Amino acid sequence: NAGVTQTPKFQVLKTGQSMTLQCAQDMNHNSMYWYRQDPGMGLRLIYYSASEGTTDKGEVPNGYNVSRLNKREFSLRLESAAPSQTSVYFCASSEVPGRGPEAFFGQGTRLTVV
Amino acid sequence: QKEVEQDPGPLSVPEGAIVSLNCTYSNSAFQYFMWYRQYSRKGPELLMYTYSSGNKEDGRFTAQVDKSSKYISLFIRDSQPSDSATYLCAMSKDDKIIFGKGTRLHILP
Repeated sequence: NAGVTQTPKFQVLKTGQSMTLQCAQDMNHNSMYWYRQDPGMGLRLIYYSASEGTTDKGEVPNGYNVSRLNKREFSLRLESAAPSQTSVYFCASSEVPGRGPEAFFGQGTRLTVV
Repeated sequence: QKEVEQDPGPLSVPEGAIVSLNCTYSNSAFQYFMWYRQYSRKGPELLMYTYSSGNKEDGRFTAQVDKSSKYISLFIRDSQPSDSATYLCAMSKDDKIIFGKGTRLHILP
């Protein structure tokens, strides 16, 4: 039972390049999330998906797109990376709130945009 | 005003002391109130959650929610060096989970 798996763990991009961060969970959770974590800023919600086939914007969606490919997978795409997107990205999953709010996190992707 | 406010610290206390961590929030629609612990270079892990006002205890940890004041607290008794980490409060409404900035805690041996 792997929980939440993120790939890659580390990435360096040049400004303007694109990339997709992958996330998969094996807990049969309905909800999935993408957060970014910057020093002194805590975890900020980028996008979330309450169920397969739905996605919604969080606090800081600009510059990102997401795809809920199926119940297990939720990907985050940077179309044209900017230095301001240098951060640690966390994917998380949870049951629908109402049956317990616990979110399980992946180990993070450390992204540097130069 | 951010929906969830948390003092980032750092907070340094001697081993064995009682630690008090706090968050305030502005949205009365929040349903669950949570505390996560995050060690360096790891993802956050849930410590405790509560659904209503009042106290909830789990070992050395006590979570307290005061909905009338929009204020939540986490108390750690008999603090240990292994408690050194970043503690994040989080709150959920509908399908969103919103986090505070996190408080860096150092327990000094």
